[in-house]
Amino acid sequence: TQLLEQSPQFLSIQEGENLTVYCNSSSVFSSLQWYRQEPGEGPVLLVTVVTGGEVKKLKRLTFQFGDARKDSSLHITAAQPGDTGLYLCAGGRYNQFYFGTGTSLTVIP
Amino acid sequence: IAGITQAPTSQILAAGRRMTLRCTQDMRHNAMYWYRQDLGLGLRLIHYSNTAGTTGKGEVPDGYSVSRANTDDFPLTLASAVPSQTSVYFCASSDEAGGPFNEQFFGPGTRLTVL
Repeated sequence: TQLLEQSPQFLSIQEGENLTVYCNSSSVFSSLQWYRQEPGEGPVLLVTVVTGGEVKKLKRLTFQFGDARKDSSLHITAAQPGDTGLYLCAGGRYNQFYFGTGTSLTVIP
Repeated sequence: IAGITQAPTSQILAAGRRMTLRCTQDMRHNAMYWYRQDLGLGLRLIHYSNTAGTTGKGEVPDGYSVSRANTDDFPLTLASAVPSQTSVYFCASSDEAGGPFNEQFFGPGTRLTVL
């Protein structure tokens, strides 16, 4: 059983559309990270959030940590083909990070 | 270029064979990790090492062993491979173990197929 469930698992959208990816758990985490992974490569860290309710923006990407620190969301505005990739959330507990199931995003030009 | 290297890039292995996946980092990071990635399951931690000379078990350690003789190297060994160990394996490192801002740096992965 995965500690962190992501939805949707797959997402295919047109360039310029907005989208939201969700990362949910019944467990509380001390922090929540989002990584992006491109084919044939390892994941690369995008952001870390640590405070319940915290919102961080990275250009067109907005990350939010739930008030109870059990869930997070990633919102992309005006998606571009360069946003295509696998998005992974990772929750920190007891000096380890537990990764989510992943969301594969394809942005069609 | 600083980072993590993994070898081999890919491998096809007969069931029952022994296999060691190699991982080397040149960032002088204290902590290192091994994950396996399977579709629909994300990344799952196999083993970790908080510092040279110490190792610990992750979520899915059965069938795998690791050693950390020095800071740079963290090999993963499959003593007797089974088909369920077919996966993509990622090695990662971080400056320190734990902590909310602990950023992990990943290698390019090893694609292993066990027949």
